[in-house]
Amino acid sequence: AQKITQTQPGMFVQEKEAVTLDCTYDTSDPSYGLFWYKQPSSGEMIFLIYQGSYDQQNATEGRYSLNFQKARKSANLVISASQLGDSAMYFCAMRVDTGGFKTIFGAGTRLFVKA
Amino acid sequence: ETGVTQTPRHLVMGMTNKKSLKCEQHLGHNAMYWYKQSAKKPLELMFVYNFKEQTENNSVPSRFSPECPNSSHLFLHLHTLQPEDSALYLCASSQELAGGRVQETQYFGPGTRLLVL
Repeated sequence: AQKITQTQPGMFVQEKEAVTLDCTYDTSDPSYGLFWYKQPSSGEMIFLIYQGSYDQQNATEGRYSLNFQKARKSANLVISASQLGDSAMYFCAMRVDTGGFKTIFGAGTRLFVKA
Repeated sequence: ETGVTQTPRHLVMGMTNKKSLKCEQHLGHNAMYWYKQSAKKPLELMFVYNFKEQTENNSVPSRFSPECPNSSHLFLHLHTLQPEDSALYLCASSQELAGGRVQETQYFGPGTRLLVL
């Protein structure tokens, strides 16, 4: 069965410091995609970054990078130089072919950035 | 207007009311989704429309009725809801190729916060 686990319900980080949000996944399918979304208090889920299971390099998008460790089945999000506007819920998600493609979401991690 | 829009943003309804949530995507995508987000629960996929055909219905109660008149619009018709249906309802869209690919990204709207009294 496919599953996404985010073990940190909440995280605090000082402004301008880096923070790592953990995500582990479980699937027996060799082909899958991993996503991170940000959800501010306004509610909209904002796509941040994507990593494919066959990608050789870790994905990066501006201040976001994905630490992809395939053997450990982990896809941690690293946010560098945190800003106050980074305070939000962060969701890790995985897309797999279950006989029709489905995206599975984790429970999320709430990030608080302190001034 | 760009992206995915949802109306209304907030809705309060009684258990006997009938209301509809509307979603519109301006991204040229061919698949649209309804998700339910309750407090302390992971995002739950409710319905999927791919090329305007409903391809998934995750055991959603019949008091929720989806409608997809074209690839840009998606509705969720609500009737005789229960208080436990109070949640954030999110619409999303993606561009799906025939056969599918794992890298297709879903783009979300701002959601409708629903309160059932």
